[in-house]
Amino acid sequence: GENVEQHPSTLSVQEGDSAVIKCTYSDSASNYFPWYKQELGKRPQLIIDIRSNVGEKKDQRIAVTLNKTAKHFSLHITETQPEDSAVYFCADPGRYQKVTFGTGTKLQVIP
Amino acid sequence: NAGVTQTPKFRILKIGQSMTLQCTQDMNHNYMYWYRQDPGMGLKLIYYSVGAGITDKGEVPNGYNVSRSTTEDFPLRLELAAPSQTSVYFCASSSTSGSYNEQFFGPGTRLTVL
Repeated sequence: GENVEQHPSTLSVQEGDSAVIKCTYSDSASNYFPWYKQELGKRPQLIIDIRSNVGEKKDQRIAVTLNKTAKHFSLHITETQPEDSAVYFCADPGRYQKVTFGTGTKLQVIP
Repeated sequence: NAGVTQTPKFRILKIGQSMTLQCTQDMNHNYMYWYRQDPGMGLKLIYYSVGAGITDKGEVPNGYNVSRSTTEDFPLRLELAAPSQTSVYFCASSSTSGSYNEQFFGPGTRLTVL
C-alpha cells in the first residue's frame, strides 16, 4: 500500500443524515480494505473491513463498498449519531503488509 | 489477554537525549508496527516487523531504530531526540493467518521533546 488518498478531510452532517468517505489506492494487488475509527485522545480501532472477493459489506449502520476496477473503497454511515463524531482512517496493507493509512476524515455530527 | 501494551504513557525528553518506547503483545501476532501521529494528522509508519528477527523501514524511519528478538516485544529506540520527534507513538500488531487481518493498537505514548 504505497499511495492512499482519502476524501474529504472534514465532513459535517446533521444528526440522522448519511456520511460517505472515500479512499483511492494504487496497488492492484491489494486485497484487504479496513476502516478505523479514532475518537479524541484514543487509539484507532477497526470498525469494518472488506476483502477483495466481495463488493459490499454491511454492519448495522455502517457499510463499506469496494470498486476494484476503479481502485476505490468507501465507508457509508447511515442515520448518523453524535457518537459517530471522530476521525476515520482507511488503510491499505498492500502486498507486503507495509500498511499505508489514509490522511483521515474528521466527521462532525451536529445534534 | 492484555492485547497490545505500551510504556511509558507520557514522556518529556530534552534535545539530544535517548529513550526506548516499549511495546508488548500477548496475542502471538507475527506482525508488529510502529506509527507516529502528529497533532491533527494521520498515522505514519516508522518501522514494521513480519516476525522475530525481521524488521523493515516504513515511511519515516530516520532518527529511530527497532529490534524484534521475540514474538511479543517490539521496542522503538530514539537516539538524539529532536523537537521534530514530538508526537504520539502507537504500536500495533496483527496476525495474517493466510490473509491480512485487523490491526490492534496499543494506547499510545505521548512524547514531547524540548
